[in-house]
Amino acid sequence: AQKITQTQPGMFVQEKEAVTLDCTYDTSDQSYGLFWYKQPSSGEMIFLIYQGSYDEQNATEGRYSLNFQKARKSANLVISASQLGDSAMYFCAMREWDGGSYIPTFGRGTSLIVHP
Amino acid sequence: DAGVTQSPTHLIKTRGQQVTLRCSPISGHKSVSWYQQVLGQGPQFIFQYYEKEERGRGNFPDRFSARQFPNYSSELNVNALLLGDSALYLCASSLDRASGNTIYFGEGSWLTVV
Repeated sequence: AQKITQTQPGMFVQEKEAVTLDCTYDTSDQSYGLFWYKQPSSGEMIFLIYQGSYDEQNATEGRYSLNFQKARKSANLVISASQLGDSAMYFCAMREWDGGSYIPTFGRGTSLIVHP
Repeated sequence: DAGVTQSPTHLIKTRGQQVTLRCSPISGHKSVSWYQQVLGQGPQFIFQYYEKEERGRGNFPDRFSARQFPNYSSELNVNALLLGDSALYLCASSLDRASGNTIYFGEGSWLTVV
């Protein structure tokens, strides 16, 4: 079974509008972490936001917020006031402790296109 | 401060050849991990090294190997290249192996196997 599922292969949003990128995860661990990364065409993975499984409040980083619903095992990324520069691939990832280190698992990604 | 640097940025190899990819972590970071990203998919974990020892390994064949040097830089080696090894290879660094939420990636090495 997929550990990280991103069901939206592509999303379109108009500049200045908000957009939600979906992510569901599967784990039996009580302690885990959830990330979102942005990958422009250059290839570099840019860290956006992190949510720990024990964090009670949703994480926020500037225009990015993570809508964490633990019971539903979802960790959706909300981008407010989209900008043209937000056009990129977005990956949801989960890190689990394997006894020796934290190992992240990534989803297949969502391509976001922001149009004027 | 310099981020994670990788070299080469692009390379083309022939099936059966061997390739070595290099990574320099952020200054002060002691953990380096490697990922393979095939076109259209998310990165897949290959290795993690911390203090020059392998601390984690993904589901990759023995053709893939890596090492970490005393200065914490790292090399990823792939032997007997297959067409399916064509991918973006990403290196990431973190302060230590437990810094799960502070992983910084390089821009990657694009490998094409023909």
